[in-house]
Amino acid sequence: GESVGLHLPTLSVQEGDNSIINCAYSNSASDYFIWYKQESGKGPQFIIDIRSNMDKRQGQRVTVLLNKTVKHLSLQIAATQPGDSAVYFCAENFGNEKLTFGTGTRLTIIP
Amino acid sequence: DTGVSQNPRHKITKRGQNVTFRCDPISEHNRLYWYRQTLGQGPEFLTYFQNEAQLEKSRLLSDRFSAERPKGSFSTLEIQRTEQGDSAMYLCASSRAGGPYEQYFGPGTRLTVT
Repeated sequence: GESVGLHLPTLSVQEGDNSIINCAYSNSASDYFIWYKQESGKGPQFIIDIRSNMDKRQGQRVTVLLNKTVKHLSLQIAATQPGDSAVYFCAENFGNEKLTFGTGTRLTIIP
Repeated sequence: DTGVSQNPRHKITKRGQNVTFRCDPISEHNRLYWYRQTLGQGPEFLTYFQNEAQLEKSRLLSDRFSAERPKGSFSTLEIQRTEQGDSAMYLCASSRAGGPYEQYFGPGTRLTVT
């Protein structure tokens, strides 16, 4: 069945460096993707989204890249801060209103 | 705070008891979703509503689970005859209709079945 997976379960980055979190998706019909940040004991927090007619979208310190050819999504966080430490999920939607999430990547910022 | 609220935040119950959770979405959002999340996993879709109509239910939603959104505003999720396997975080999200659009999540209700 369709699935969204992440390449790395954990990622440690020095404070101030840039981080890149990757995600592979399997459903070529997916038309909408979202990155969420989840801190311990809290619900997922929306970070940024991108539709399949785009290949790049920028927000505040974050950039999402979409490569439909290889079905790959990435989240770049610039100048990481301690508050960026969390679990990051990518989620996909293929026209049926529900989001399919991967298992997440734990990002740890090293002071 | 996303504007989506859930109550209670924590619930401990004994196996076989019934539990009910409430979700209050962002007021102008027509769509309301329920997800379940177990430790170390991403959220899994359970069901969603557009206004008061329940439009899709996951196979995860067994006969013991029922969700309602009677007036198209808040929603309740009831689990009857709870089992230890029901222990999880139950998340509610809401979004505008006509999308897909971003879904905003509440803080979740953590259920522990003993």
